[in-house]
Amino acid sequence: QVQLVESGGGLVKPGGSLRLSCAASGFDFSDYYMGWVRRGPGKGLEWLVYTSASGNYKRYVDSVKGHFVISRDNGKNSVYLQMNSLRVDDTAVYYCVRARSSRGSGSYYAEYWGLGTLVTVSS
Amino acid sequence: DIQMTQSPSTLSASVGDTVIITCRASQTISAWLAWYQQKPGQAPKLLISKASTLENGVPSRFSGSGSEAEFTLTISGLQPDDSATYYCQQYNSDFGTFGQGTKVEIK
Repeated sequence: QVQLVESGGGLVKPGGSLRLSCAASGFDFSDYYMGWVRRGPGKGLEWLVYTSASGNYKRYVDSVKGHFVISRDNGKNSVYLQMNSLRVDDTAVYYCVRARSSRGSGSYYAEYWGLGTLVTVSS
Repeated sequence: DIQMTQSPSTLSASVGDTVIITCRASQTISAWLAWYQQKPGQAPKLLISKASTLENGVPSRFSGSGSEAEFTLTISGLQPDDSATYYCQQYNSDFGTFGQGTKVEIK
Protein backbone atom coordinates (compact mmCIF):
# COMPACT_ATOMS: atom_id res chain seq x y z
CA GLN A 1 0.00 0.00 0.00
CA VAL A 2 1.04 3.61 -0.48
CA GLN A 3 3.18 4.93 2.35
CA LEU A 4 4.69 8.36 2.79
CA VAL A 5 6.99 8.85 5.77
CA GLU A 6 8.28 12.31 6.63
CA SER A 7 11.35 13.05 8.71
CA GLY A 8 13.60 15.95 9.55
CA GLY A 9 11.32 18.15 11.62
CA GLY A 10 12.41 19.71 14.88
CA LEU A 11 13.12 22.93 16.74
CA VAL A 12 15.02 25.64 14.88
CA LYS A 13 15.75 29.30 15.62
CA PRO A 14 14.34 32.08 13.44
CA GLY A 15 16.54 32.55 10.41
CA GLY A 16 17.68 28.94 10.51
CA SER A 17 17.29 26.17 7.98
CA LEU A 18 15.86 22.69 7.99
CA ARG A 19 15.54 19.96 5.39
CA LEU A 20 12.52 17.70 5.43
CA SER A 21 12.56 14.32 3.74
CA CYS A 22 9.75 12.09 2.61
CA ALA A 23 10.31 8.43 1.81
CA ALA A 24 7.67 6.95 -0.47
CA SER A 25 6.80 3.31 -1.03
CA GLY A 26 4.03 1.16 -2.45
CA PHE A 27 3.78 2.86 -5.83
CA ASP A 28 5.86 3.81 -8.83
CA PHE A 29 7.22 7.05 -7.41
CA SER A 30 8.63 8.38 -10.67
CA ASP A 31 5.14 8.45 -12.21
CA TYR A 32 3.60 10.93 -9.78
CA TYR A 33 3.58 14.57 -8.86
CA MET A 34 4.49 15.12 -5.20
CA GLY A 35 3.97 18.05 -2.88
CA TRP A 36 4.02 19.48 0.61
CA VAL A 37 1.10 20.80 2.66
CA ARG A 38 1.30 22.31 6.14
CA ARG A 39 -0.97 23.15 9.02
CA GLY A 40 0.12 25.79 11.48
CA PRO A 41 -1.17 25.97 15.07
CA GLY A 42 -4.68 27.34 14.98
CA LYS A 43 -4.45 27.67 11.21
CA GLY A 44 -5.91 25.75 8.33
CA LEU A 45 -4.21 23.50 5.84
CA GLU A 46 -2.03 25.23 3.25
CA TRP A 47 -0.62 23.82 0.02
CA LEU A 48 2.99 24.98 -0.26
CA VAL A 49 4.53 23.44 -3.33
CA TYR A 50 4.34 20.62 -5.83
CA THR A 51 6.75 19.11 -8.30
CA SER A 52 6.24 17.14 -11.46
CA ALA A 53 7.05 13.46 -11.78
CA SER A 54 10.44 14.21 -13.33
CA GLY A 55 11.17 17.08 -10.96
CA ASN A 56 11.62 19.51 -13.84
CA TYR A 57 8.51 21.55 -13.01
CA LYS A 58 7.96 23.09 -9.61
CA ARG A 59 5.31 25.48 -8.40
CA TYR A 60 5.41 27.39 -5.10
CA VAL A 61 2.77 29.30 -3.19
CA ASP A 62 3.75 32.97 -2.81
CA SER A 63 4.34 32.72 0.95
CA VAL A 64 7.28 30.31 0.49
CA LYS A 65 8.65 31.34 -2.90
CA GLY A 66 12.39 32.04 -2.62
CA HIS A 67 12.40 30.65 0.91
CA PHE A 68 11.60 26.92 0.43
CA VAL A 69 12.92 24.60 -2.28
CA ILE A 70 11.42 21.27 -3.28
CA SER A 71 13.49 18.53 -4.86
CA ARG A 72 13.13 14.85 -5.51
CA ASP A 73 15.33 11.83 -6.12
CA ASN A 74 13.41 9.25 -8.12
CA GLY A 75 16.20 6.74 -7.60
CA LYS A 76 15.63 6.94 -3.86
CA ASN A 77 11.82 7.31 -4.02
CA SER A 78 12.15 10.48 -1.97
CA VAL A 79 11.06 14.08 -2.04
CA TYR A 80 12.62 16.85 0.00
CA LEU A 81 11.77 20.30 1.27
CA GLN A 82 14.68 22.62 1.99
CA MET A 83 13.42 25.39 4.24
CA ASN A 84 15.62 28.48 4.61
CA SER A 85 15.29 31.76 6.51
CA LEU A 86 12.69 30.19 8.73
CA ARG A 87 10.22 32.45 10.48
CA VAL A 88 8.09 31.93 13.56
CA ASP A 89 5.01 31.68 11.36
CA ASP A 90 6.53 28.69 9.53
CA THR A 91 5.84 26.67 12.68
CA ALA A 92 3.55 23.87 11.52
CA VAL A 93 3.07 20.20 10.88
CA TYR A 94 4.40 19.51 7.38
CA TYR A 95 2.77 16.78 5.33
CA CYS A 96 4.21 15.06 2.30
CA VAL A 97 1.49 14.30 -0.24
CA ARG A 98 1.08 12.51 -3.52
CA ALA A 99 -0.60 15.02 -5.77
CA ARG A 100 -3.25 14.27 -8.34
CA SER A 101 -5.40 16.32 -10.65
CA SER A 102 -8.55 15.74 -12.63
CA ARG A 103 -8.50 16.31 -16.39
CA GLY A 104 -9.51 19.93 -16.89
CA SER A 105 -8.77 21.14 -13.37
CA GLY A 106 -6.22 23.86 -12.74
CA SER A 107 -4.53 22.48 -9.66
CA TYR A 108 -4.00 19.39 -7.55
CA TYR A 109 -5.48 17.58 -4.62
CA ALA A 110 -3.70 15.27 -2.17
CA GLU A 111 -4.43 11.66 -2.95
CA TYR A 112 -2.23 10.28 -0.16
CA TRP A 113 -0.72 11.91 2.90
CA GLY A 114 2.03 11.10 5.35
CA LEU A 115 1.59 11.46 9.10
CA GLY A 116 3.47 14.73 9.07
CA THR A 117 6.54 16.10 10.80
CA LEU A 118 6.47 19.00 13.25
CA VAL A 119 8.63 22.03 12.63
CA THR A 120 8.87 24.56 15.44
CA VAL A 121 10.56 27.90 14.81
CA SER A 122 11.32 29.63 18.07
CA SER A 123 14.14 31.46 19.78
CA ASP B 1 -7.13 33.33 -3.91
CA ILE B 2 -10.30 31.30 -3.71
CA GLN B 3 -11.64 31.18 -0.15
CA MET B 4 -13.40 28.04 1.08
CA THR B 5 -15.88 28.30 3.93
CA GLN B 6 -17.15 25.22 5.72
CA SER B 7 -20.13 24.99 8.02
CA PRO B 8 -20.72 24.10 10.69
CA SER B 9 -17.32 24.17 12.39
CA THR B 10 -18.42 21.50 14.86
CA LEU B 11 -21.39 19.18 14.98
CA SER B 12 -22.55 16.52 17.35
CA ALA B 13 -24.82 13.73 16.14
CA SER B 14 -25.96 10.27 17.14
CA VAL B 15 -25.06 6.96 15.56
CA GLY B 16 -27.40 6.39 12.64
CA ASP B 17 -28.04 10.08 11.97
CA THR B 18 -27.56 11.71 8.60
CA VAL B 19 -24.95 14.46 8.77
CA ILE B 20 -24.46 17.20 6.17
CA ILE B 21 -21.39 19.40 5.93
CA THR B 22 -21.42 22.39 3.59
CA CYS B 23 -18.50 23.94 1.76
CA ARG B 24 -18.84 27.24 -0.12
CA ALA B 25 -16.31 28.71 -2.52
CA SER B 26 -15.78 32.45 -2.94
CA GLN B 27 -16.04 31.96 -6.72
CA THR B 28 -17.12 29.23 -9.05
CA ILE B 29 -14.87 26.16 -9.09
CA SER B 30 -16.88 23.91 -11.38
CA ALA B 31 -16.72 20.46 -9.72
CA TRP B 32 -13.06 20.65 -8.71
CA LEU B 33 -13.55 19.85 -5.05
CA ALA B 34 -12.09 17.20 -2.77
CA TRP B 35 -13.12 16.07 0.71
CA TYR B 36 -10.77 14.66 3.32
CA GLN B 37 -11.18 12.99 6.70
CA GLN B 38 -8.62 13.30 9.49
CA LYS B 39 -8.68 11.45 12.77
CA PRO B 40 -6.39 12.40 15.68
CA GLY B 41 -2.90 11.01 15.23
CA GLN B 42 -3.60 9.83 11.69
CA ALA B 43 -2.78 11.12 8.24
CA PRO B 44 -5.62 12.84 6.40
CA LYS B 45 -7.47 10.52 4.06
CA LEU B 46 -9.00 11.43 0.71
CA LEU B 47 -12.69 10.54 0.62
CA ILE B 48 -14.07 12.22 -2.49
CA SER B 49 -12.70 14.00 -5.55
CA LYS B 50 -14.43 15.90 -8.35
CA ALA B 51 -17.18 16.81 -5.90
CA SER B 52 -18.87 13.41 -5.95
CA THR B 53 -16.44 10.63 -6.95
CA LEU B 54 -15.93 8.30 -4.01
CA GLU B 55 -12.41 6.95 -3.60
CA ASN B 56 -11.89 3.18 -3.60
CA GLY B 57 -12.54 1.65 -0.21
CA VAL B 58 -14.52 4.59 1.18
CA PRO B 59 -17.83 3.40 2.67
CA SER B 60 -20.88 4.16 0.57
CA ARG B 61 -22.50 6.06 3.45
CA PHE B 62 -20.27 8.96 2.39
CA SER B 63 -21.45 10.99 -0.57
CA GLY B 64 -20.61 14.33 -2.11
CA SER B 65 -22.66 16.66 -4.24
CA GLY B 66 -22.70 20.17 -5.61
CA SER B 67 -21.11 22.27 -8.30
CA GLU B 68 -19.98 25.82 -9.07
CA ALA B 69 -19.69 27.29 -5.58
CA GLU B 70 -21.72 25.20 -3.15
CA PHE B 71 -20.97 21.65 -2.12
CA THR B 72 -22.03 19.16 0.52
CA LEU B 73 -20.57 16.08 2.14
CA THR B 74 -23.26 13.76 3.48
CA ILE B 75 -22.74 10.90 5.89
CA SER B 76 -25.86 8.71 5.80
CA GLY B 77 -26.06 6.55 8.90
CA LEU B 78 -23.29 7.98 11.06
CA GLN B 79 -20.97 5.38 12.60
CA PRO B 80 -18.69 5.71 15.65
CA ASP B 81 -15.68 5.39 13.33
CA ASP B 82 -16.75 8.59 11.54
CA SER B 83 -15.71 10.76 14.46
CA ALA B 84 -13.12 12.99 12.78
CA THR B 85 -12.47 16.39 11.26
CA TYR B 86 -13.51 16.83 7.63
CA TYR B 87 -11.96 19.29 5.19
CA CYS B 88 -12.90 20.42 1.72
CA GLN B 89 -10.33 21.64 -0.81
CA GLN B 90 -10.79 23.36 -4.15
CA TYR B 91 -8.38 22.50 -6.96
CA ASN B 92 -9.87 24.67 -9.66
CA SER B 93 -6.86 26.97 -9.58
CA ASP B 94 -3.50 27.22 -7.83
CA PHE B 95 -3.03 26.91 -5.11
CA GLY B 96 -5.68 24.53 -3.90
CA THR B 97 -7.24 26.07 -0.81
CA PHE B 98 -8.86 24.26 2.08
CA GLY B 99 -11.85 24.91 4.23
CA GLN B 100 -11.17 25.40 7.93
CA GLY B 101 -12.58 21.99 8.84
CA THR B 102 -15.69 20.54 10.46
CA LYS B 103 -15.28 18.43 13.56
CA VAL B 104 -17.86 15.65 13.80
CA GLU B 105 -18.48 14.27 17.26
CA ILE B 106 -20.61 11.29 18.22
CA LYS B 107 -23.16 11.90 20.99
